[in-house]
Amino acid sequence: DGGITQSPKYLFRKEGQNVTLSCEQNLNHDAMYWYRQDPGQGLRLIYYSQIVNDFQKGDIAEGYSVSREKKESFPLTVTSAQKNPTAFYLCASSIDGGRATQYFGPGTRLLVL
Amino acid sequence: KNEVEQSPQNLTAQEGEFITINCSYSVGISALHWLQQHPGGGIVSLFMLSSGKKKHGRLIATINIQEKHSSLHITASHPRDSAVYICAVLHYGGSQGNLIFGKGTKLSVKP
Repeated sequence: DGGITQSPKYLFRKEGQNVTLSCEQNLNHDAMYWYRQDPGQGLRLIYYSQIVNDFQKGDIAEGYSVSREKKESFPLTVTSAQKNPTAFYLCASSIDGGRATQYFGPGTRLLVL
Repeated sequence: KNEVEQSPQNLTAQEGEFITINCSYSVGISALHWLQQHPGGGIVSLFMLSSGKKKHGRLIATINIQEKHSSLHITASHPRDSAVYICAVLHYGGSQGNLIFGKGTKLSVKP
């Protein structure tokens, strides 16, 4: 079964702690994306990657970092510099970075203790 | 002003009703997406449109490029259609990194 997996489903962060959200896809897609969703707001793009070893900042990249060392994987680190990290995080992928349909993972809900 | 506006924000319908969700946008686009988000949070892509009309089962999506408007229709609605429906536009000439999302329409279909 092809698809996108995100883990964990729920994640708790302590003050001053970095946490990493996992996103893996076995769809052989070149492009991958990280979005943040807050109540009452549309999805906002954090980072995207159109190809391995390359990624671009989205609209709200401050306080986040990513890597794309493998085609299948696009982990997102929420650093201590992100002062309001509580949100629902969605990872997506598409066959390329053009007009192709994006496929979304199930999401990770991050909560601050 | 938001570049993508959806209406209504919330919608409650009785099972069997015909439902329309609207999306208006203010930028030039090369494509428009309709997405469905289930209560658990997972998102499924329903349609991608650049012109005209698409149909899949009980779902119909239309777009009018000149009027910068799209509609999503659900015929013979069912409680399992209850979800948040999200409109997203791909800014003309942009990569997928330039998708702009609406805030969503929360649909609840009562049996």
